[in-house]
Amino acid sequence: GQNIDQPTEMTATEGAIVQINCTYQTSGFNGLFWYQQHAGEAPTFLSYNVLDGLEEKGRFSSFLSRSKGYSYLLLKELQMKDSASYLCASSGNTPLVFGKGTRLSVIA
Amino acid sequence: GAGVSQSPSNKVTEKGKDVELRCDPISGHTALYWYRQSLGQGLEFLIYFQGNSAPDKSGLPSDRFSAERTGGSVSTLTIQRTQQEDSAVYLCASTTDRVTYGYTFGSGTRLTVV
Repeated sequence: GQNIDQPTEMTATEGAIVQINCTYQTSGFNGLFWYQQHAGEAPTFLSYNVLDGLEEKGRFSSFLSRSKGYSYLLLKELQMKDSASYLCASSGNTPLVFGKGTRLSVIA
Repeated sequence: GAGVSQSPSNKVTEKGKDVELRCDPISGHTALYWYRQSLGQGLEFLIYFQGNSAPDKSGLPSDRFSAERTGGSVSTLTIQRTQQEDSAVYLCASTTDRVTYGYTFGSGTRLTVV
């Protein structure tokens, strides 16, 4: 079966660091994606992890632990434009399965 | 084209009417997906086309939903006898390699059934 859990909402302060967690149970797991979705817009690709560890890409980093079925997205030096929903998605024996998304609000 | 194009961007229809939603994927992308996103819900998989293979229809919620992909490019999602619970944003995505590169999504069609 497929199941993905992530927090519904988070709030963080401009300039701070925020970590968005995701746990998954995926048959035939072969990778974990993070997408960003601004209100009323299409989801856009942020990161892909297939091996354990941290992948850093500018202000955004993504971590994966396959043994724990766990990932997180780390956003540093938060900016107001980072206010969006962040979707965790797992790749396995089926098309991508998405979590419900975490709505991040960045406040001054 | 440069991105995945969907039309119309917004559609309001009366309950019981049929609607057609169109998706034009990125040129050369062999895989095409339809998802829908309801308010407060995650993306729900509907149907998947890969090359000339038979589509994976396992996500279609009822037999009122169907989709086709002509010439390995443009896809049309048809909803017959629409119901209010069909109201959602319907997203199309395409990819060359679904594992490594992820999906490129269109901006979606917001369907409202009144």
